[in-house]
Amino acid sequence: AQSVTQLDSHVSVSEGTPVLLRCNYSSSYSPSLFWYVQHPNKGLQLLLKYTSAATLVKGINGFEAEFKKSETSFHLTKPSAHMSDAAEYFCVVRINTGGFKTIFGAGTRLFVKA
Amino acid sequence: DTGVSQNPRHKITKRGQNVTFRCDPISEHNRLYWYRQTLGQGPEFLTYFQNEAQLEKSRLLSDRFSAERPKGSFSTLEIQRTEQGDSAMYLCASSTALAGVDTQYFGPGTRLTVL
Repeated sequence: AQSVTQLDSHVSVSEGTPVLLRCNYSSSYSPSLFWYVQHPNKGLQLLLKYTSAATLVKGINGFEAEFKKSETSFHLTKPSAHMSDAAEYFCVVRINTGGFKTIFGAGTRLFVKA
Repeated sequence: DTGVSQNPRHKITKRGQNVTFRCDPISEHNRLYWYRQTLGQGPEFLTYFQNEAQLEKSRLLSDRFSAERPKGSFSTLEIQRTEQGDSAMYLCASSTALAGVDTQYFGPGTRLTVL
């Protein structure tokens, strides 16, 4: 069975400090992994994607994620948080099994304090 | 703007009424997806089209729900005899694998409120 677990429902950081949003996945197949961000009253925006090319993936707005197969993890990081990063973040697993099964995590709400 | 568009953005209806939502994907994208998102949750997959063919349907898609993509371009999602539990954000996404990994781009969503 395939699943995605975002380990924290809420993360709070101070502006200028590092951000770590954790994601673990379970899949019998080689997955593609994504992080999306959703700002209030706005659509889902793609931050970055892992496609089996490089394990360290760089995305928009200074975000990065590292695919660790041995740990089945795909954690999202940013060296220095900005107020505008406050949003909901979703880790997504996509598996090509003939169709395209897409599974979203429950989301992590990031709060950034001034 | 060449992104995914959805109409209407908001819909308020009374229980028992039928509603229809429209999604216009990015023009060169041959795949189209519908999701439902309730408050505090991640989006849940409903159904998927490749061109005009509906290839996957979730168990969440009860017989009151029907989706079409008649010409392989825009898609409609209809909910018949709406129930209060149908209140949610309905998201549409489109993609193409032509540029490598199939990456979904999302529209702004249609927020449905059933009174």
